[in-house]
Amino acid sequence: RKEVEQDPGPFNVPEGATVAFNCTYSNSASQSFFWYRQDCRKEPKLLMSVYSSGNEDGRFTAQLNRASQYISLLIRDSKLSDSATYLCVPSSGSARQLTFGSGTQLTVLP
Amino acid sequence: GAVVSQHPSWVICKSGTSVKIECRSLDFQATTMFWYRQFPKQSLMLMATSNEGSKATYEQGVEKDKFLINHASLTLSTLTVTSAHPEDSSFYICSARDVAGDGNIQYFGAGTRLSVL
Repeated sequence: RKEVEQDPGPFNVPEGATVAFNCTYSNSASQSFFWYRQDCRKEPKLLMSVYSSGNEDGRFTAQLNRASQYISLLIRDSKLSDSATYLCVPSSGSARQLTFGSGTQLTVLP
Repeated sequence: GAVVSQHPSWVICKSGTSVKIECRSLDFQATTMFWYRQFPKQSLMLMATSNEGSKATYEQGVEKDKFLINHASLTLSTLTVTSAHPEDSSFYICSARDVAGDGNIQYFGAGTRLSVL
């Protein structure tokens, strides 16, 4: 079983749509959780941290369910610039190592 | 936000040569840096954790004699791919933790694309 499982997509949605991504992780000792986005042939960029209470940053809402080891990301009012691969990333260990999923590819269409 | 500089961004080299990649934290101190490798259409895979002033910790399956890591200061870690071969061609990315800030967040360099001919 992979440490981080994500639906690879691709998700093709029209501008303005709402889209949700899900992720499960296997390491119950994971301490922190993040969503990163990665554009083609670029480095990952932090989108947001994920907290158990749920958190929102503009059009983006992240949720964490530790009991189910499940993380989600909701994007509202999609923009063309949201097109990217979204990576679900738990962190664990004393060095706070990140474990990357293979990502979910999103394409927002005009 | 915190900035991590990685150099060079592109390397094309002949098989058998060694390639050094630098990773610098520009505006913060990083006692821990990380080196990843990403093959096309695959996820980032952690290669090693680089600790300032001590030996790096390598992930299972990563040859420490092949991928030499030096973290001699709080702002610089280097990865040397020794005797590179075509199968080493990949996207190498470093990251650093800002221990003075939110120590949970890693900031990434822009990556180095290595092509071995």
